[in-house]
Amino acid sequence: LAKTTQPISMDSYEGQEVNITCSHNNIATNDYITWYQQFPSQGPRFIIQGYKTKVTNEVASLFIPADRKSSTLSLPRVSLSDTAVYYCLVGARYGGSQGNLIFGKGTKLSVKP
Amino acid sequence: DAGVTQSPTHLIKTRGQQVTLRCSPKSGHDTVSWYQQALGQGPQFIFQYYEEEERQRGNFPDRFSGHQFPNYSSELNVNALLLGDSALYLCASRPPISPDNEQFFGPGTRLTVL
Repeated sequence: LAKTTQPISMDSYEGQEVNITCSHNNIATNDYITWYQQFPSQGPRFIIQGYKTKVTNEVASLFIPADRKSSTLSLPRVSLSDTAVYYCLVGARYGGSQGNLIFGKGTKLSVKP
Repeated sequence: DAGVTQSPTHLIKTRGQQVTLRCSPKSGHDTVSWYQQALGQGPQFIFQYYEEEERQRGNFPDRFSGHQFPNYSSELNVNALLLGDSALYLCASRPPISPDNEQFFGPGTRLTVL
């Protein structure tokens, strides 16, 4: 199973762009990169997923270099409400890890006014 | 459309007791998974239910058991509670023929064992 490494914590200020990088050196050919967001006392929420290059949605962008050994979650112009823990997960879309999600400790993002 | 719901929100038990947690998946979802999240840690997979059968199990002892009902709702039972079982218990669901890595989580049940 591909293991992920991401910073334990990050600080930012409102209005700034935040980039959280995740390392996954042993990523398999059929693995996708998925990011979840978790607010205190809530369950994680799926925010974005990609296989290669760049993926963008209304919440974030995900940048994946050609070698796919790392990925960067980009949050544009963060606000206080983006304060949360962000998890990077690696696995197949179907049948990977036999259907369960493997979470690390995540990156705790603190946005200050 | 309600999302994944869990009950109760909070629960306090003492060592040795038994507890049952409940989960109703999002409408249209048929696969339910349970996760345990200790303070400061990421969620850890307990087991997954599909068609009323346990399909996959994580590294948890037999004290942890579950059930899925015909309406796809699910229960998590923990026997002989230990202090270390104190955690946020999360239920996640997903619809048929959907990616395994896109799951919808409920708000969790906070279990405290004294």
